[in-house]
Amino acid sequence: EVQLVESGGGLVQPGGSLRLSCAASGITVNDNYMTWVRQAPGKGLQWVSVIYSDGKTYYPDSVKGRFSISRDRSKNTVYLQMNSLRVEDTALYYCARATVAATPLPLDYWGQGTLVTVSS
Amino acid sequence: QSVLTQPPSVSGAPGQRVTISCTGSSSNIGAGYDVHWYQQVPGTAPKLLIYGNNNRPSGVPDRFSGSKSGTSASLAITGLQTEDEADYYCQSSDNGLSGWVFGGGTKLTVL
Repeated sequence: EVQLVESGGGLVQPGGSLRLSCAASGITVNDNYMTWVRQAPGKGLQWVSVIYSDGKTYYPDSVKGRFSISRDRSKNTVYLQMNSLRVEDTALYYCARATVAATPLPLDYWGQGTLVTVSS
Repeated sequence: QSVLTQPPSVSGAPGQRVTISCTGSSSNIGAGYDVHWYQQVPGTAPKLLIYGNNNRPSGVPDRFSGSKSGTSASLAITGLQTEDEADYYCQSSDNGLSGWVFGGGTKLTVL
C-alpha cells in the first residue's frame, strides 16, 4: 500500500523559510515523479513543484527561485524548501506521486497535506 | 484565474446524470494534452477519478466517465449518489506555462 505522509507545516512570518517533508512508503521516491500541490483556504489546486526520477526539477513562475524540491533516497523522503515566503503562499501543501500513464502525468497517490500559514 | 474554466457549481437529484465541463484553449487541451479529473470530498485529499481523458483507475465506479473534444473536456456522473457530493477538478498542461494546470473546481451538490 502506498502512503505519503507530509510534515513540517506551521506558522511563519513573511520573508521566512520552512521545509516540508513527505515520507513515502510502498514506493521508492527516487524511482518516481514526485510533486507538491497546494490549496489555499477555500480555493482550488495549484501545482508547486516536481522532481523527476532522473533528478530534474521544475516549478511554476509563482514559486521559481524561492522554492526548491529535493529527495533523500536513504530516508525515502521528498522535501520542499520554501524561502522568502509570502502571505499568498498560505495553503495546505500536498505531496503526490505522478504516474506515467498519460501526458501530462496524472497524480495517483496523495498525502493528507500539511498546513503552511504565512502571517505576521 | 485558471486557464481551465469549470462551472463553479452543478447539482442533481439522486439517480440523475450530471456533467461538468472543463474549457481550455489551443495552448492546453486543444494542443493535444490529456485531461484528468479529481474528486475532493471536503476535508480530504484529492482522489484521481479519470486519467487520460476517459480512463478510470482501479476501484472507480463506471458511473464516472470522461470525454474530450477540441479545446474542452467533460466529466459525466450517472446514477448520482449522495456520496458523490464533492469538489471536482480537471487537470491538464499548457504550452505557455510549465507543468500542470488545474481548473478552478466545480462543487457538486446532490439534492
